Amino acid sequence: GAVVSQHPSRVICKSGTSVKIECRSLDFQATTMFWYRQFPKQSLMLMATSNEGSKATYEQGVEKDKFLINHASLTLSTLTVTSAHPEDSSFYICSARPAGAYEQYFGPGTRLTVT
Amino acid sequence: DQQVKQNSPSLSVQEGRISILNCDYTNSMFDYFLWYKKYPAEGPTFLISISSIKDKNEDGRFTVFLNKSAKHLSLHIVPSQPGDSAVYFCAAYNNNDMRFGAGTRLTVKP
Repeated sequence: GAVVSQHPSRVICKSGTSVKIECRSLDFQATTMFWYRQFPKQSLMLMATSNEGSKATYEQGVEKDKFLINHASLTLSTLTVTSAHPEDSSFYICSARPAGAYEQYFGPGTRLTVT
Repeated sequence: DQQVKQNSPSLSVQEGRISILNCDYTNSMFDYFLWYKKYPAEGPTFLISISSIKDKNEDGRFTVFLNKSAKHLSLHIVPSQPGDSAVYFCAAYNNNDMRFGAGTRLTVKP
């Protein structure tokens, strides 16, 4: 149980385009989902926390207009990187937390490369 | 402001021996702690957790110890196996907010 999927696993896009990444909790309902970013050889950096049906809470320094997060249902959250630039190239990981639980379950990550 | 710290970026251990991964935190309000394991190009996998009301939790080869007065927790893996080679992150919870340490890369040599 507690499986989280992410799609796509890899994406290459041109500078200036937008990319959408999906995060799904497959066998549980996630009232809260999280989006992280990981740079090479660095820790996970929390970008934003989203609760189903409400606006996401962004961490300091994360541009909410650039990283659009939608948590439309209890099993799906999406991250859209708008007007992507090469510096947005990174490994993006989502996680989902079941209601009442402490544990977060992570997706396999999405490698974004902006050329 | 790094509230959760893993001061050792790497650790190398011989197969069969004990691996001890350490984590320190500064926020006394953290009430739940977790360890995650991460392989390259994959998402972290939940390993083991401990509530602040306990000082030890054991699950097979993995044991987590919590010392609240020292604001320190550790993960013991015994016996260590080559498949345990990965990056280990500790995480701490406070009121719906989870913070991760920077991670420790464990290498278990055959």
